[in-house]
Amino acid sequence: AQKITQTQPGMFVQEKEAVTLDCTYDTSDPSYGLFWYKQPSSGEMIFLIYQGSYDQQNATEGRYSLNFQKARKSANLVISASQLGDSAMYFCAMREGYRYSTDSWGKLQFGAGTQVVVTP
Amino acid sequence: DTGVSQDPRHKITKRGQNVTFRCDPISEHNRLYWYRQTLGQGPEFLTYFQNEAQLEKSRLLSDRFSAERPKGSFSTLEIQRTEQGDSAMYLCASSIGLAGGTDTQYFGPGTRLTVL
Repeated sequence: AQKITQTQPGMFVQEKEAVTLDCTYDTSDPSYGLFWYKQPSSGEMIFLIYQGSYDQQNATEGRYSLNFQKARKSANLVISASQLGDSAMYFCAMREGYRYSTDSWGKLQFGAGTQVVVTP
Repeated sequence: DTGVSQDPRHKITKRGQNVTFRCDPISEHNRLYWYRQTLGQGPEFLTYFQNEAQLEKSRLLSDRFSAERPKGSFSTLEIQRTEQGDSAMYLCASSIGLAGGTDTQYFGPGTRLTVL
């Protein structure tokens, strides 16, 4: 079963506008972490933001914020004031079981990604 | 401060040949991960190490794949008898190894493998 679902294969956004990238996840584990990565055309995965399942507040990192709705199992990424350099693939990922299992909390499970193109 | 490095960046090989990739993690990172990414998909977990110990190996990984991290520093990923289906980007990541959810993985630039 797909653990991470990103339903938007591609999006266009105008420079300086905000964009929301959807991510839903599936887990029965009460302990998990959610990550967003950016992958430009060069190929390197760049870490953007992290949200833990027990975190009370939504994570923010500069122009990135995470809209975490635990009951809905969604962790949408919001990019404010888009820039041309934000054009890239964006991946949502999850790591399960970090609190109780030292063996299973290593791997990340990724969604299929959303391609964002920022236009002038 | 150097990030994760991978070598080579590109590899073209013929079907049936063996290939080996190297990954150098961020210094003092105890954990090292290998992922594979095919076109249009997200990375797929292959295996990871805590220091020199290989803690998990994906069930999707055939026995033609082997990974080592002999001294807990760099790691190698070898693919024997390559097949066209092995063509992909092979990504390496490392993390400090914190006992909690905030243990962020930092990725290298990847090795793109093309099997002819």
